[in-house]
Amino acid sequence: QQQVKQSPQSLIVQKGGISIINCAYENTAFDYFPWYQQFPGKGPALLIAIRPDVSEKKEGRFTISFNKSAKQFSLHIMDSQPGDSATYFCAAVYSGAGSYQLTFGKGTKLSVIP
Amino acid sequence: NAGVTQTPKFQVLKTGQSMTLQCAQDMNHNSMYWYRQDPGMGLRLIYYSASEGTTDKGEVPNGYNVSRLNKREFSLRLESAAPSQTSVYFCASSGPQRGAGNIQYFGAGTRLSVL
Repeated sequence: QQQVKQSPQSLIVQKGGISIINCAYENTAFDYFPWYQQFPGKGPALLIAIRPDVSEKKEGRFTISFNKSAKQFSLHIMDSQPGDSATYFCAAVYSGAGSYQLTFGKGTKLSVIP
Repeated sequence: NAGVTQTPKFQVLKTGQSMTLQCAQDMNHNSMYWYRQDPGMGLRLIYYSASEGTTDKGEVPNGYNVSRLNKREFSLRLESAAPSQTSVYFCASSGPQRGAGNIQYFGAGTRLSVL
């Protein structure tokens, strides 16, 4: 059972455009929602994260929008650049059990073309 | 500052062979994790260790064993490798960050092919 569904699987955006990646979750116990960025041949690295008591978080060109009632959250990349080309994973965490297991979406491969 | 170090970076095994993937972190983190990454499947948790001395199964533990050797090191063992275990394996660690959620730091991965 996939607990975090991510779409689209791949995305091609023109330089300067807006990239939007969507995720939906099922478990209402999740209490932390990070996004990871992975470049080819590298491990994932935390990009930005949000807690469910906040509807939006912005860091530079990256914004997370969070809709608790719909159990959905999305990543917006403004003014997308070729250097943003990477695979992006949304994730959800339940921290109540004392261990912080990440449940990942299946990833979105973003290509930003000049 | 090394962060999370995985060895080896690449490995080719024959079916039935065994091997151990090594992982070490220098961030004094309590928790460590092993994931596998397959095309179109995202990252799936194999095993994790919430703290030194404890290990627990994740989503896909079959065919693997782990050892939390000490606070720094967490190894993953394939006793009898199968072609289905061809994958990229990532180790991650996280520290206690109350009130800030959990941030996992990943190594660069081990690319394993089982023939």
